Amino acid sequence: KQEVTQIPAALSVPEGENLVLNCSFTDSAIYNLQWFRQDPGKGLTSLLLIQSSQREQTSGRLNASLDKSSGRSTLYIAASQPGDSATYLCAVRTNNDMRFGAGTRLTVKP
Amino acid sequence: NAGVMQNPRHLVRRRGQEARLRCSPMKGHSHVYWYRQLPEEGLKFMVYLQKENIIDESGMPKERFSAEFPKEGPSILRIQQVVRGDSAAYFCASSPDPSGSGNTIYFGEGSWLTVV
Repeated sequence: KQEVTQIPAALSVPEGENLVLNCSFTDSAIYNLQWFRQDPGKGLTSLLLIQSSQREQTSGRLNASLDKSSGRSTLYIAASQPGDSATYLCAVRTNNDMRFGAGTRLTVKP
Repeated sequence: NAGVMQNPRHLVRRRGQEARLRCSPMKGHSHVYWYRQLPEEGLKFMVYLQKENIIDESGMPKERFSAEFPKEGPSILRIQQVVRGDSAAYFCASSPDPSGSGNTIYFGEGSWLTVV
């Protein structure tokens, strides 16, 4: 059974710092991995999608990497801003559905 | 092309009442997924449906919860005799065809159920 773990559970950084969020999964038989952002009381915003054959994806200040063999992904956020404050969810796509981690709650202090 | 539409967005029910949450998938999508997010937790898979079929309901509580995706109309997640612990955000997602595919699953905005 696929288990997805995100570390840390919460992170607080000053504005301008670069930071890394971690995601690990137990079964490497995935189709893709996706990072989402969720603001309090809101739905999911897709940030980056990495197919199983890819190693990384970039969008603006965000870079996500995937090491399928070791069951790990990282989300790198450069030059963090207060507007980046949210919960970041990692999810892996398997045959029937997506399995989510519990998320990392990020606070960027001005 | 409208996204995944969920309604109601917010629903308040008294203990013992029934809650019905509706989900219309994206146009052309025949696969629907329901997830539940309890406060301060990640999304938990509940059920995966195709038209008129339940493919995987391994995440559904055995009692009081049911889901359907009829040939016509939206998918319905039904919770009977709601209890306070059912208070959560319920997210629906859809995809065109997940079998052996890396297609993205698209999420709705969620339905927030509050049981008082």
